[in-house]
Amino acid sequence: GQNIDQPTEMTATEGAIVQINCTYQTSGFNGLFWYQQHAGEAPTFLSYNVLDGLEEKGRFSSFLSRSKGYSYLLLKELQMKDSASYLCAVGSNDYKLSFGAGTTVTVRA
Amino acid sequence: DVKVTQSSRYLVKRTGEKVFLECVQDMDHENMFWYRQDPGLGLRLIYFSYDVKMKEKGDIPEGYSVSREKKERFSLILESASTNQTSMYLCASSGAGNQETQYFGPGTRLLVL
Repeated sequence: GQNIDQPTEMTATEGAIVQINCTYQTSGFNGLFWYQQHAGEAPTFLSYNVLDGLEEKGRFSSFLSRSKGYSYLLLKELQMKDSASYLCAVGSNDYKLSFGAGTTVTVRA
Repeated sequence: DVKVTQSSRYLVKRTGEKVFLECVQDMDHENMFWYRQDPGLGLRLIYFSYDVKMKEKGDIPEGYSVSREKKERFSLILESASTNQTSMYLCASSGAGNQETQYFGPGTRLLVL
């Protein structure tokens, strides 16, 4: 099984940077996903890391360290529309994804 | 664009009723999944299917069953709804292979009275 931890809430100011950490304990690790979910909407895919290192995609970056069981999602130049829940999900060797409880990010003007 | 649709956005049922939640995807995906999402618990996998007529239990299958008669459609069935099944239900689909990106439907918010 998987044990996935991420902070419950974070608040930041428009234009700032926020880093959302995710730690996991897993058997049969097969990649880590980040999803964004606005209130009342479906989760949407943001990033996927299977090798160690940083993946950059515009204002969003995701980092993975498999040896430490650690990932983070970095949101730069925050905008009001970035207010959402961010879900960390760990893949295993059996088609399943295990999700953390999600981090609610509030962006203030 | 991948499109995953669910039959209802909101549903109110009474305890003991049989409930059907339908999910349809239009991308010819092999894998389909049903999750429930509750505050503080995140998404929890109920059942998934990697092929027509195939199904696998997820982490919380008790009180649920599923049906996949056609590749594009995956149904979740609550045989006898109970109040603790009040939740948001999310369907997802992904391509063949392990750890393909999952694409989610808009969700069905079910209230069992």
